[in-house]
Amino acid sequence: NAGVMQNPRHLVRRRGQEARLRCSPVKGHSHVYWYRQLPEEGLKFMVYLQKENIIDESGMPKERFSAEFPKEGPSILRIQQVVRGDSAAYFCASSPKAGGIQETQYFGPGTRLLVL
Amino acid sequence: SQQGEEDPQALSIQEGENATMNCSYKTSINNLQWYRQNSGRGLVHLILIRSNEREKHSGRLRVTLDTSKKSSSLLITASRAADTASYFCAFSNGQNFVFGPGTRLSVLP
Repeated sequence: NAGVMQNPRHLVRRRGQEARLRCSPVKGHSHVYWYRQLPEEGLKFMVYLQKENIIDESGMPKERFSAEFPKEGPSILRIQQVVRGDSAAYFCASSPKAGGIQETQYFGPGTRLLVL
Repeated sequence: SQQGEEDPQALSIQEGENATMNCSYKTSINNLQWYRQNSGRGLVHLILIRSNEREKHSGRLRVTLDTSKKSSSLLITASRAADTASYFCAFSNGQNFVFGPGTRLSVLP
């Protein structure tokens, strides 16, 4: 009865490197959401995906950030050429097929990214 | 900003007391949810209340929703030290999911 899995839990990158964050939703969930939490702040929505489709990326920075949720495998949040300001906790959440964004979202433990 | 607002930002109470946290929002919503986050951990869903509901209970938790005032409150009764955490309200307006900045609750033994 696994919940949302995220890995790695902690990721350290130097400026200019790439960061790849993985999220495996709850089994059977086809909706995935990514959020960013800066220190001492609330969560901010980044992107909402269904299998193979980006539904809403209104919270995603226009450059360097991308997300995918392939037919097989986990959802990936990719940050290219990381900068210190990307240091944050990134949370993934999933919800069941029915209801989508209207339903409860189940959160993973987060990936804490530190950019040196 | 679409973000909700929560108050207080921080709350410190003694074990056994009740804790009340408030959340306000600006847009129309479909539902409002409360989450808890222990330090350094992921979020845990507490309660979902739909826009046509006014009050909901779950154990020691009571959530109210006043859509005319665009506000919600979370009441934790008979608090315990283990309730120490940050509490976030989050609401869905049908487009996306928006979180408030959170209330940091400290329950002192």
